[in-house]
Amino acid sequence: NAGVTQTPKFRVLKTGQSMTLLCAQDMNHEYMYWYRQDPGMGLRLIHYSVGEGTTAKGEVPDGYNVSRLKKQNFLLGLESAAPSQTSVYFCASSSYSSSYEQYFGPGTRLTVT
Amino acid sequence: AQKVTQAQTEISVVEKEDVTLDCVYETRDTTYYLFWYKQPPSGELVFLIRRNSFDEQNEISGRYSWNFQKSTSSFNFTITASQVVDSAVYFCALTSTRTSGTYKYIFGTGTRLKVLA
Repeated sequence: NAGVTQTPKFRVLKTGQSMTLLCAQDMNHEYMYWYRQDPGMGLRLIHYSVGEGTTAKGEVPDGYNVSRLKKQNFLLGLESAAPSQTSVYFCASSSYSSSYEQYFGPGTRLTVT
Repeated sequence: AQKVTQAQTEISVVEKEDVTLDCVYETRDTTYYLFWYKQPPSGELVFLIRRNSFDEQNEISGRYSWNFQKSTSSFNFTITASQVVDSAVYFCALTSTRTSGTYKYIFGTGTRLKVLA
């Protein structure tokens, strides 16, 4: 039981490049989330999903897109990376059966130069 | 609007001292959940505790204890006899049932605890 995994762990991009972060969970959770963590800002919600095929915007969605084609996967895309997107990205999942405890992935450190 | 406030940005204590981390929340929902997470220097987020709005009982787990008071909208976390391994950033979080039935989590900005040997 791997829990929540994130790929990649580290990435350096140049401004304007695109990339996709992959989050996978093997706990059959309904809800999945993408956060970014910046110094002094805590965790801010980018996008989230309450089920396969559905997504919704969080607090800071601009510049990101997401997809949830399969229940176990939640993809975060950056179409044209900007230095302001330099951050640590965390994926999380939760469900009613886990009393809404969020299980977090190990994080992806992204640097945009 | 929902909000979680952790007014203490950073706290330093000497090992074996007790320390309390404050968390104040705002929500209009009657059903909600509160959480504490620990983020050690290695960066992962570790779940510590969950409380629902209908359970105001305080909880103790070893050196950790939590005081949930709806009257003051607070969910404070106390570490007794702190140890160097407790050094981390601690986050308080809130989620609740909205009309839409979705569950978004609101995190505080975190409190960095430094325990000095």
